Amino acid sequence: DTGVSQNPRHKITKRGQNVTFRCDPISEHNRLYWYRQTLGQGPEFLTYFQNEAQLEKSRLLSDRFSAERPKGSFSTLEIQRTEQGDSAMYLCASSPRSGRAGGEQYFGPGTRLTVT
Amino acid sequence: AQSVAQPEDQVNVAEGNPLTVKCTYSVSGNPYLFWYVQYPNRGLQFLLKYITGDNLVKGSYGFEAEFNKSQTSFHLKKPSALVSDSALYFCAVRPPAGGTSYGKLTFGQGTILTVHP
Repeated sequence: DTGVSQNPRHKITKRGQNVTFRCDPISEHNRLYWYRQTLGQGPEFLTYFQNEAQLEKSRLLSDRFSAERPKGSFSTLEIQRTEQGDSAMYLCASSPRSGRAGGEQYFGPGTRLTVT
Repeated sequence: AQSVAQPEDQVNVAEGNPLTVKCTYSVSGNPYLFWYVQYPNRGLQFLLKYITGDNLVKGSYGFEAEFNKSQTSFHLKKPSALVSDSALYFCAVRPPAGGTSYGKLTFGQGTILTVHP
């Protein structure tokens, strides 16, 4: 169990550029989640996958945001035409399939995005 | 809609004293409740959860939490604080299975715990 990994750890980009983040969940975890955390706030849910199916998207996820999880393994989160308001820590988490649905989510270290 | 409130932005306690970090929640149905801890430049680490059963749940690093349904609270506690417990603590709630937001954790705004030597 190597934990959830995220790449890159830091990204600085200019406004208007596109960025893509990657998340590798804990192996055998079939659920994967994306959250966004701004300074002084708790993480906010963005979207989640069960295997390759994207089951829920937050209203925070505007049309400029897209997430994929091909083959139900790693996931990517792309932000197009970045804005300064997109600056935040993007967190990925995974959880195992749980019959009682109470499985805790295990978080990666996050990708810190700075849009200049 | 589900929500979580952590009424204290900061909690200060002396090492060796008991600590409490407060959390109240709002959710339809029986909640799944969680506590996470975040150290600087690190991801969130799971501490403990309440799903059902005994109202007092025990977790990692000597932490425990008490679920109180009538007060819709899930306060985090530790009998004897350590300086190394100083970190940012988040309470989170998740709706029970079967709902449309099944996978979604809703977090409080966090409480900074500082344990003084």
